[in-house]
Amino acid sequence: DQQVKQNSPSLSVQEGRISILNCDYTNSMFDYFLWYKKYPAEGPTFLISISSIKDKNEDGRFTVFLNKSAKHLSLHIVPSQPGDSAVYFCAASLGAGSYQLTFGKGTKLSVIP
Amino acid sequence: KAGVTQTPRYLIKTRGQQVTLSCSPISGHRSVSWYQQTPGQGLQFLFEYFSETQRNKGNFPGRFSGRQFSNSRSEMNVSTLELGDSALYLCASSLLENSPLHFGNGTRLTVT
Repeated sequence: DQQVKQNSPSLSVQEGRISILNCDYTNSMFDYFLWYKKYPAEGPTFLISISSIKDKNEDGRFTVFLNKSAKHLSLHIVPSQPGDSAVYFCAASLGAGSYQLTFGKGTKLSVIP
Repeated sequence: KAGVTQTPRYLIKTRGQQVTLSCSPISGHRSVSWYQQTPGQGLQFLFEYFSETQRNKGNFPGRFSGRQFSNSRSEMNVSTLELGDSALYLCASSLLENSPLHFGNGTRLTVT
């Protein structure tokens, strides 16, 4: 039973446009959500996170939106750059006292110059 | 500050053998977690250690085990290797609960 789902295995976007990556979760006990970016032959790199008490968090070109009622979060990248081409993972945590993350299977983003 | 260091980067083993992977967390981080990444299953949680104690374990058979030392360094061991154990094994460390995990570059294990 997959508790964190990224339904789009891949996404192609033109350079300069917005990239929107989506993630759905089923466990209403998840309290903290993160996005990671992964290049081949490297470990995942933390991008941005959001607590369940917020509905938006911004960091430069990256914004994460959380819709708790829909159990949905999204990552917006504006403007998209070729260096953003990577696999993006959504992850969720059960909150206080938890160091365990449940990951989605990832979305491969390709930014076309 | 040095990141999470995993050794070795690549490993080839034969079915039935055992393997030990090593992880040095970021200095000051006391929580170390291990994840397995495969193409079909994505990133799956193996276990998490804090102050030499295993606090959480994922849904993996008993052939997968780990430990943490007093300096927070961690090892994981897989015994009686199976072909399906071929994967990228990632170690991550964290300073605080509910703070981001910082991952190493992983150990690519191939079982033949």
